[in-house]
Amino acid sequence: ETGVTQTPRHLVMGMTNKKSLKCEQHLGHNAMYWYKQSAKKPLELMFVYSLEERVENNSVPSRFSPECPNSSHLFLHLHTLQPEDSALYLCASSQGQGGRYNTEAFFGQGTRLTVV
Amino acid sequence: KQEVTQIPAALSVPEGENLVLNCSFTDSAIYNLQWFRQDPGKGLTSLLLIQSSQREQTSGRLNASLDKSSGRSTLYIAASQPGDSATYLCAALPIYNQGGKLIFGQGTELSVKP
Repeated sequence: ETGVTQTPRHLVMGMTNKKSLKCEQHLGHNAMYWYKQSAKKPLELMFVYSLEERVENNSVPSRFSPECPNSSHLFLHLHTLQPEDSALYLCASSQGQGGRYNTEAFFGQGTRLTVV
Repeated sequence: KQEVTQIPAALSVPEGENLVLNCSFTDSAIYNLQWFRQDPGKGLTSLLLIQSSQREQTSGRLNASLDKSSGRSTLYIAASQPGDSATYLCAALPIYNQGGKLIFGQGTELSVKP
């Protein structure tokens, strides 16, 4: 148990579906992240939210839409995905101060997404 | 641009061996370097965090070192066990970026044989 919980653990969706991934952190952190892990590739940062404001969007297609309603919850809304979007999506959190987010990062168990 | 490389990509050892996993990074301007463990199909578990001002950190049978001048970190695992089998990832946190964006290596897949 890392203090970061992701649901669902597995998701299969068609290319015309709309679904959402949910992440909740119980660590009192003020920054949350979405990472994507594709087969045989390093983890790639998708989005960073600090104090509920998006501070980075790493050139992610608009079919991925993040939402951070408060510092403990993070969502990733998915629509009209492509088969190449199939991957493990990981949520993480850390604590920042004065623009520095240099504390230990904690990750959830991930959502295995398959787009058919 | 920060790049992180891990060598070897895969490693198989008999139980009981001491082993070293390597991580190299191209830019020494980092806040910290973090080592993670990932079991198949699962998320990341943080193992050790080394701040840029530190040289090493220890937790149980694990010891991680950091040499910023050479752009290298090592993870030493003592007396390896089959339960240590997993993929080990290192990640550097660059100073010159927005937010806490970690730059990951591709990982070393470790198999410890009974």
